[in-house]
Amino acid sequence: DTAVSQTPKYLVTQMGNDKSIKCEQNLGHDTMYWYKQDSKKFLKIMFSYNNKELIINETVPNRFSPKSPDKAHLNLHINSLELGDSAVYFCASSLRGPEGQPQHFGDGTRLSIL
Amino acid sequence: DQQVKQNSPSLSVQEGRISILNCDYTNSMFDYFLWYKKYPAEGPTFLISISSIKDKNEDGRFTVFLNKSAKHLSLHIVPSQPGDSAVYFCAASAWGAQKLVFGQGTRLTINP
Repeated sequence: DTAVSQTPKYLVTQMGNDKSIKCEQNLGHDTMYWYKQDSKKFLKIMFSYNNKELIINETVPNRFSPKSPDKAHLNLHINSLELGDSAVYFCASSLRGPEGQPQHFGDGTRLSIL
Repeated sequence: DQQVKQNSPSLSVQEGRISILNCDYTNSMFDYFLWYKKYPAEGPTFLISISSIKDKNEDGRFTVFLNKSAKHLSLHIVPSQPGDSAVYFCAASAWGAQKLVFGQGTRLTINP
């Protein structure tokens, strides 16, 4: 009965490769997000989607492309992976935008670039 | 520019005592504040929130206090239990900004 699930949990790959992370929520929420937690443990917003429409792109390199086929899914595709992309990526969702609404997080995808 | 700051990276408290976690913010446009708890290898879990029209919100053992003039919020856990050992993040949002801004977290350890 996982509310926000993301796959894979771990991803180890080489520089230059292309990879995708999938996220699904079964909460009926309208808004979904991608966050990056870097080595200093800061959680920073990357993207947010509301009903499949991009709301926020927080100056993320265009090698990162989110795709929302429907409002229950928000996938993240990363091209030409770089060493600096190593981080934990969290997907989240909320009923509406974050104002007055808590976000529910998945368990994260730990991406390691060799 | 870190708009939400948790200046204590770690805190150790005896079981049964009160745990107080602190958070400061700089953006006066923030009007909604949240606390999340995170265990290793799991995502953050929502704990409690408060809007800027209130100065206190309570949910069981957890109470959040907001001091708008000082741009400071705190989370009180009473009594502290071993299962409370985790990293606690505070977060804030401004109306219309469509995003949460997180602090860097405080690791709370409850000692038996």
